[in-house]
Amino acid sequence: NAGVMQNPRHLVRRRGQEARLRCSPMKGHSHVYWYRQLPEEGLKFMVYLQKENIIDESGMPKERFSAEFPKEGPSILRIQQVVRGDSAAYFCASSPRPGQPGEDTQYFGPGTRLTVL
Amino acid sequence: AQSVTQLDSQVPVFEEAPVELRCNYSSSVSVYLFWYVQYPNQGLQLLLKYLSGSTLVESINGFEAEFNKSQTSFHLRKPSVHISDTAEYFCAVSEPQAGANNLFFGTGTRLTVIP
Repeated sequence: NAGVMQNPRHLVRRRGQEARLRCSPMKGHSHVYWYRQLPEEGLKFMVYLQKENIIDESGMPKERFSAEFPKEGPSILRIQQVVRGDSAAYFCASSPRPGQPGEDTQYFGPGTRLTVL
Repeated sequence: AQSVTQLDSQVPVFEEAPVELRCNYSSSVSVYLFWYVQYPNQGLQLLLKYLSGSTLVESINGFEAEFNKSQTSFHLRKPSVHISDTAEYFCAVSEPQAGANNLFFGTGTRLTVIP
């Protein structure tokens, strides 16, 4: 019963480097969400994707951040030229596509904790 | 704009005592409501949800929450807590009729159960 998988679980980068976070949705799920959790805060929505399509990126910072969900392989959240303020836990969630049972519920992965030195 | 308020950032309670974690939301459309639990250094686990129907929903480990539309609340309760309930609890809302599938989260309530 594989749930949502994220890797790496912990990632350390120096300022200016790139960070790549991966998310594999639950089996049978075709929609992926990315959220960011800053220290002592709740989760904030970043982006919502289905395979090969970004549905809603209203929560993504305008610069340095991008996300994709290719036809094959995991969803990738990419942060270029990281800064200390990017240090956070990044969570991925997945759900079935609309019209499928359980479409209303998102299931979360264990998160990737990014530390920028 | 959608917002979720969890007024209590920390709630200490003695083992076997009852607890209520408060959640209020603001929205002009129908909503789905969720409670997630986060144990230290782990991801979020769905605790319970309200989509429609009965306003009282229950989880398998003794928690329950009641949707109150007039008060725009979805408070989480448990009549007798256990040490293992110590965790962070997040209330979340989605607005499916507005076409917004993403979740809006509160800032969380840290429940600490004292032996």
